Amino acid sequence: AQSVTQLGSHVSVSEGALVLLRCNYSSSVPPYLFWYVQYPNQGLQLLLKYTSAATLVKGINGFEAEFKKSETSFHLTKPSAHMRDAAEYFCAVIGETSGSRLTFGEGTQLTVNP
Amino acid sequence: DTAVSQTPKYLVTQMGNDKSIKCEQNLGHDTMYWYKQDSKKFLKIMFSYNNKELIINETVPNRFSPKSPDKAHLNLHINSLELGDSAVYFCASSQAVRVEQYFGPGTRLTVT
Repeated sequence: AQSVTQLGSHVSVSEGALVLLRCNYSSSVPPYLFWYVQYPNQGLQLLLKYTSAATLVKGINGFEAEFKKSETSFHLTKPSAHMRDAAEYFCAVIGETSGSRLTFGEGTQLTVNP
Repeated sequence: DTAVSQTPKYLVTQMGNDKSIKCEQNLGHDTMYWYKQDSKKFLKIMFSYNNKELIINETVPNRFSPKSPDKAHLNLHINSLELGDSAVYFCASSQAVRVEQYFGPGTRLTVT
């Protein structure tokens, strides 16, 4: 069965600093990977997705992620954090054998300090 | 226009009651889902329907019963509510089986 591990349940950065949120996956087959963002009291919004095309994926709001098969990683980055980026971020995977089942990581709370 | 909508947004009820949450999507998607987010924000799938057919039924108490009257709607009925059912329930939809899913705003259920 596939799984996702997000390293760091809380990440704090200064405004303008690099954002790096870590995600490692486990899957016996090439996975489909996603990053979602959840703002307080809201639903989940898709940031970006990897579906076996380009390994560097660009998403909304200036975020991007790189799929590294050798490291089984799909880390999320943004060059310069904004206050509005403060939210909960979830990495998720769909494996070949899971049908449409999204398996989520435990989430990373991003705090952006002025 | 709201893509995936849920009603109600908040639901406060007492133990033992029966309640329903409704979900509608106007994206023309074939597949719909229910997820549960617990107090630690962990998300786990409960059910999935594809063209009104149940395709995923996780280990969920049979007090929870999904119903899909048509492709655009997926409702969740919960019988005999328990304290442990308190959570945020999210509806989602997708165009096909292994693609991105779009989430509704969530329904915060509080059982007292």
